[in-house]
Amino acid sequence: DTAVSQTPKYLVTQMGNDKSIKCEQNLGHDTMYWYKQDSKKFLKIMFSYNNKELIINETVPNRFSPKSPDKAHLNLHINSLELGDSAVYFCASSPSAYGYTFGSGTRLTVV
Amino acid sequence: TQLLEQSPQFLSIQEGENLTVYCNSSSVFSSLQWYRQEPGEGPVLLVTVVTGGEVKKLKRLTFQFGDARKDSSLHITAAQPGDTGLYLCAGGAGANSKLTFGKGITLSVRP
Repeated sequence: DTAVSQTPKYLVTQMGNDKSIKCEQNLGHDTMYWYKQDSKKFLKIMFSYNNKELIINETVPNRFSPKSPDKAHLNLHINSLELGDSAVYFCASSPSAYGYTFGSGTRLTVV
Repeated sequence: TQLLEQSPQFLSIQEGENLTVYCNSSSVFSSLQWYRQEPGEGPVLLVTVVTGGEVKKLKRLTFQFGDARKDSSLHITAAQPGDTGLYLCAGGAGANSKLTFGKGITLSVRP
């Protein structure tokens, strides 16, 4: 009965590969987010969807493409992975901006 | 760009001590949230404050939102080893807006 679940927890892949991270929330929240946490623990927003519609798209390389098939799911696909993409990626959901519920993260390592 | 500065960056104290940490900005936020993150997990929401001057208590933790809604403080009374973690503050500009995170405060409480 996890509120926000991400898979996989760990992802190790070679440069140039394409990979996807999946996220699902069972909280009934309308808004979902992808955040990237770098090695210094700084969390930076990447994308936000509200009821399947993209509402926030920060300056992110177009190799990153989010997809929201329904308001409970927000997936992240990354093409042509680079070393600098190594980080922890967090999915989150909220009924508003007044309280996020985060998943436990996906640690991506590009070698 | 709204920035949140957290201080101190690192704090190591003995069990039983009191501490106060800060989150400051030159921007006004409609809400400010505090999260705690433990290794290998996502941030967990501790509190949301929305009114200037608001004070909220969560057991031994006391949160205050500045009168001008630009800053916040977190005071922990009689810290315990279980309080160890990364404390993140985040400011929101309104419903469904992105949260801007500070870089976090790493707290270590020694038994």
